[in-house]
Amino acid sequence: KQEVTQIPAALSVPEGENLVLNCSFTDSAIYNLQWFRQDPGKGLTSLLLIQSSQREQTSGRLNASLDKSSGRSTLYIAASQPGDSATYLCAVRSGANSKLTFGKGITLSVRP
Amino acid sequence: ETGVTQTPRHLVMGMTNKKSLKCEQHLGHNAMYWYKQSAKKPLELMFVYNFKEQTENNSVPSRFSPECPNSSHLFLHLHTLQPEDSALYLCASSQDLGGVYGANVLTFGAGSRLTVL
Repeated sequence: KQEVTQIPAALSVPEGENLVLNCSFTDSAIYNLQWFRQDPGKGLTSLLLIQSSQREQTSGRLNASLDKSSGRSTLYIAASQPGDSATYLCAVRSGANSKLTFGKGITLSVRP
Repeated sequence: ETGVTQTPRHLVMGMTNKKSLKCEQHLGHNAMYWYKQSAKKPLELMFVYNFKEQTENNSVPSRFSPECPNSSHLFLHLHTLQPEDSALYLCASSQDLGGVYGANVLTFGAGSRLTVL
């Protein structure tokens, strides 16, 4: 059974810092991996989707990488801003017939 | 607004009450879902509906009763809940069932925060 872990559960950084959010998964035979953002009191918004054949995806200041062999993905946020404060969730699809398995998320606070 | 609207946003109920959560989407999606988000636990998929037919129930207790009268509306009827059922209940939709597999975009509502006393 696939398990997705995101550590630490919370992170606080000063504005302008480049930061990395980690996601690890137990079964490396994944189909794809997705990063979501959740603002307080809101639903989830998809940020980046990485297919199993890809190494990384970029969108603006966000870059997500995937290393299947080690069971890891990272979300890199460049020049963090207070508006980046939110919970970031990682979700993995383990196979063609498997649904998304979510991590518990990392709550990020960017201090002005 | 994402196109998926959930009401009420907050609900407090006693263990003997009966209440309902409502979800509405105007995105023309055919698949709709209920997820449960508890504190310190991963997001859990509860029910899956495709073209208003239930295709999946992930061992959810019968005190949660979903209803999907059409492809645009989804309800979650609640009765005799337990305090451990307190959570954020998220509705989501996607063009087809691919959304729950990460194959196409899942659009979430803002959620209904449920507190069971």
